Amino acid sequence: AQSVAQPEDQVNVAEGNPLTVKCTYSVSGNPYLFWYVQYPNRGLQFLLKYITGDNLVKGSYGFEAEFNKSQTSFHLKKPSALVSDSALYFCAVRPPRGNNRLAFGKGNQVVVIP
Amino acid sequence: EADIYQTPRYLVIGTGKKITLECSQTMGHDKMYWYQQDPGMELHLIHYSYGVNSTEKGDLSSESTVSRIRTEHFPLTLESARPSHTSQYLCASSELTGSYEQYFGPGTRLTVT
Repeated sequence: AQSVAQPEDQVNVAEGNPLTVKCTYSVSGNPYLFWYVQYPNRGLQFLLKYITGDNLVKGSYGFEAEFNKSQTSFHLKKPSALVSDSALYFCAVRPPRGNNRLAFGKGNQVVVIP
Repeated sequence: EADIYQTPRYLVIGTGKKITLECSQTMGHDKMYWYQQDPGMELHLIHYSYGVNSTEKGDLSSESTVSRIRTEHFPLTLESARPSHTSQYLCASSELTGSYEQYFGPGTRLTVT
């Protein structure tokens, strides 16, 4: 079965500094990978996905993620963090065939310090 | 924001009451999902549906039930609410094939006293 690990509970970063949120995955076959963001009292919002092609994926709000097959990682990055980026971030994976069920990581709280 | 709606947004209810959490989407998606989100943030799939008259149990055992009579509507029902049902419930939908990402509603925060 597929699984995702987000090793850090909370990521603290100063405003203007680069932001990285880590994600490693386990799945049979080539993975479909996703990042979602959740603001307080809201549902999850889709940020970006990797299905195939270029390993560097660009998404919403200036976020990008790099797929690394050898390290089974899909880290989320932003070159310059904003206070408004403070939120909960979820990584998710699903296998290329079978059902459309996503396996989510436990989430990372990102705190951007002014 | 995706076109997926959940009502109510917040619900406080006493033990033993029957409740139905509503979820509807206007995107014509065949697949719909219910997730339970712990206070500690983790998401657990409790029900999903591939289309009308299709319902399946998810990874986390739940005493709730679901129905899918119309494509756009996927309500979740608890026959007898208990304090252990206190949680955030998130509904999502996706296309049957293609882009694969799931679109989430705003959630219902349920408190059972």
